[in-house]
Amino acid sequence: DGGITQSPKYLFRKEGQNVTLSCEQNLNHDAMYWYRQDPGQGLRLIYYSQIVNDFQKGDIAEGYSVSREKKESFPLTVTSAQKNPTAFYLCASSIDWGTEAFFGQGTRLTVV
Amino acid sequence: DQQVKQNSPSLSVQEGRISILNCDYTNSMFDYFLWYKKYPAEGPTFLISISSIKDKNEDGRFTVFLNKSAKHLSLHIVPSQPGDSAVYFCAARYNFNKFYFGSGTKLNVKP
Repeated sequence: DGGITQSPKYLFRKEGQNVTLSCEQNLNHDAMYWYRQDPGQGLRLIYYSQIVNDFQKGDIAEGYSVSREKKESFPLTVTSAQKNPTAFYLCASSIDWGTEAFFGQGTRLTVV
Repeated sequence: DQQVKQNSPSLSVQEGRISILNCDYTNSMFDYFLWYKKYPAEGPTFLISISSIKDKNEDGRFTVFLNKSAKHLSLHIVPSQPGDSAVYFCAARYNFNKFYFGSGTKLNVKP
């Protein structure tokens, strides 16, 4: 079955700790994205990658980092510099740049 | 500053009737618009899209209308079914590489 897998579904971390969210896709898509969703707001773009070994900042990249060493994988690290990390994080991929995206089930991160 | 707005957080409709979900945008450079549907504990799934060169696109029970002069997008679901109950997000594409999403409208279709 093709799809996007995000893990874990729920994640709890102590303030000040870095945490990495996993995103894997087996759809052979070139483009991958990370979005953040907060209550009452739309999805906001954190980082995106058009191709392996290349990625660009989105609208709210501060306090986050990513890597794209493999086509299938696009992990997101939430660093201690992110002021308000508690949120719902969605990973997505698309066949090509600018086409409709397929989303994973999301990871709900809670920092205490 | 939200460039894509869904001003109705929720909508309740009787089964069999029409559901109309609305979306407004501010950037006239958006060239492609999409609707996504999201069930609880799942990621959004793509539903239907429309290019800025069209004013209507239909797919079964779902029709998207685009009014560029008003910068307004709407999704019509006819007839509505209980399985359509979900959160619907509209999204708009800018410069072929960025998508801006609305905050979503929760649709409840009552049997």
